[in-house]
Amino acid sequence: DAKTTQPNSMESNEEEPVHLPCNHSTISGTDYIHWYRQLPSQGPEYVIHGLTSNVNNRMASLAIAEDRKSSTLILHRATLRDAAVYYCILRDTGNQFYFGTGTSLTVIP
Amino acid sequence: AAGVIQSPRHLIKEKRETATLKCYPIPRHDTVYWYQQGPGQDPQFLISFYEKMQSDKGSIPDRFSAQQFSDYHSELNMSSLELGDSALYFCASSLASAVTEQYFGPGTRLTVT
Repeated sequence: DAKTTQPNSMESNEEEPVHLPCNHSTISGTDYIHWYRQLPSQGPEYVIHGLTSNVNNRMASLAIAEDRKSSTLILHRATLRDAAVYYCILRDTGNQFYFGTGTSLTVIP
Repeated sequence: AAGVIQSPRHLIKEKRETATLKCYPIPRHDTVYWYQQGPGQDPQFLISFYEKMQSDKGSIPDRFSAQQFSDYHSELNMSSLELGDSALYFCASSLASAVTEQYFGPGTRLTVT
């Protein structure tokens, strides 16, 4: 079941950084933090995941609070193609993902 | 790179009919997941399989069943269809390790009339 809280929607100007927050105050020590995004009429797409340390990949960065009760997905330069619903998901050693309500990101040209 | 393949992409059925959705995972992926996404809703986990055995069960109705075959493809069988079953059905695949990402297919849009 969903154990994360995200804002329903956010806006960003094109080519500016975007910080998408996620609260997960009940996270356990074995929960990994995953981020996925879903473009309209498409399947969810993996963005990034982490456990304790901040993570970077070609798509984004993930900043994890020291107490792990919150995290922030950072898109360094938003483009129009980044407009999507972004889901923050906690995953333990089980195989299922429980999607929360996600944040709908609008990128303004 | 090969992606997850789902068929059919669109399916229209009448109430009380049956439907079978198919999912072909990425080569060498041994774990398959099924999700249901109703209109304007978030994806809901239904069921998953690892090495042809059911590994986890979510909110899958009793009218639905699924299996994974020896070639790792999976089928979701849906019987006594109801109007509320109209949704996008996504299949995802992964390698069975604790934290690998899931790769989602394009989905099958099921419409029940």
